[in-house]
Amino acid sequence: DAKTTQPPSMDCAEGRAANLPCNHSTISGNEYVYWYRQIHSQGPQYIIHGLKNNETNEMASLIITEDRKSSTLILPHATLRDTAVYYCIVEFYSGAGSYQLTFGKGTKLSVIP
Amino acid sequence: ETGVTQSPTHLIKTRGQQVTLRCSSQSGHNTVSWYQQALGQGPQFIFQYYREEENGRGNFPPRFSGLQFPNYSSELNVNALELDDSALYLCASSEPLAVEQFFGPGTRLTVL
Repeated sequence: DAKTTQPPSMDCAEGRAANLPCNHSTISGNEYVYWYRQIHSQGPQYIIHGLKNNETNEMASLIITEDRKSSTLILPHATLRDTAVYYCIVEFYSGAGSYQLTFGKGTKLSVIP
Repeated sequence: ETGVTQSPTHLIKTRGQQVTLRCSSQSGHNTVSWYQQALGQGPQFIFQYYREEENGRGNFPPRFSGLQFPNYSSELNVNALELDDSALYLCASSEPLAVEQFFGPGTRLTVL
């Protein structure tokens, strides 16, 4: 079962920041937070991941609370192409081989012109 | 660089039949994972192969089986198809010790 809770849907105006919340109150110390998104009819796409510190890359920023029980994915300037289902995933990464992803239902983000 | 590819894109089978789905991983990736995505749901992990060995399995019955070849491409086989097997089947590959998994576009399987 997924270890995260996300709102089923959100709207965001084009050009504004999209802030997608995720609750993971049972996260353990060695589990990472990952974000993927799935644009309609495509496979999921990796966005970002983090353990404790806030992270930023060319796609998004990830803000993790100090107690690590929740996080927020921020798309700084949403475009119509960011309309997708966003999945927040909590998983242990062993470093041996790869890790297994447990997806929930995610948040359907609609970017509105 | 060629991404993850899957074949076929669409497939229609009848109950009781068997099906083989194929996945070519991205160059340099030695780990392949398979996921099943029912309509309106998130992907569910089926199993993973690492260096041609199964490296973890989700809650799927034994009629779901797989293979990974020396070139790291992979197959998913499903025997005795059931109506509930209708789904999008996704393959993902990753580099050794990497965090990011790269997904293919999926194979849409319909069981009638």
